[in-house]
Amino acid sequence: GAVVSQHPSRVICKSGTSVKIECRSLDFQATTMFWYRQFPKQSLMLMATSNEGSKATYEQGVEKDKFLINHASLTLSTLTVTSAHPEDSSFYICSASSLPRTEAFFGQGTRLTVV
Amino acid sequence: DQQVKQNSPSLSVQEGRISILNCDYTNSMFDYFLWYKKYPAEGPTFLISISSIKDKNEDGRFTVFLNKSAKHLSLHIVPSQPGDSAVYFCAANGGNQFYFGTGTSLTVIP
Repeated sequence: GAVVSQHPSRVICKSGTSVKIECRSLDFQATTMFWYRQFPKQSLMLMATSNEGSKATYEQGVEKDKFLINHASLTLSTLTVTSAHPEDSSFYICSASSLPRTEAFFGQGTRLTVV
Repeated sequence: DQQVKQNSPSLSVQEGRISILNCDYTNSMFDYFLWYKKYPAEGPTFLISISSIKDKNEDGRFTVFLNKSAKHLSLHIVPSQPGDSAVYFCAANGGNQFYFGTGTSLTVIP
């Protein structure tokens, strides 16, 4: 299957700082990228959907000013957690797809810990 | 509002037997369905998919069945192996979105 690379895999940051997570599709052009958050023992929660070159569409309850998403090219999307707080600690996963009818391939995820 | 539901949070199966994971959805507009497997601290990996024009798709030990009238799909793994122990998510593709179920944790007992 297609390869999606997510970086970093783990990051620890201080409260109040910002963290950027990168998601790259290595061998295909991702017209659409998705960002998910997973809490322990819970399902993947869709945070936002982004199409290359346009603004991301955020799910209800997700603060767009806190979770900045940029999808500047067909192979790269970034999620920036701004002014991180301990409650933002979670496992963040991106996925990429060449819609309309293909699978979404996932990155390996990023474990964010805010101390 | 959960549009894709997996009502069994966990399932234990003896090695060599069949594992059946179930998934229900509410939106009749969904026309493409997928199963993903997820190990702890890793991203989900794609397993198998099915289009709504089919009612069965098979890939090795994995078979997905789709019952559109019941809005139900299932994943069969046979024979089950200890390495299959993971969380399995079903997903439905509707337009520009993927909707995931809450996952079923499968444990295959050696």
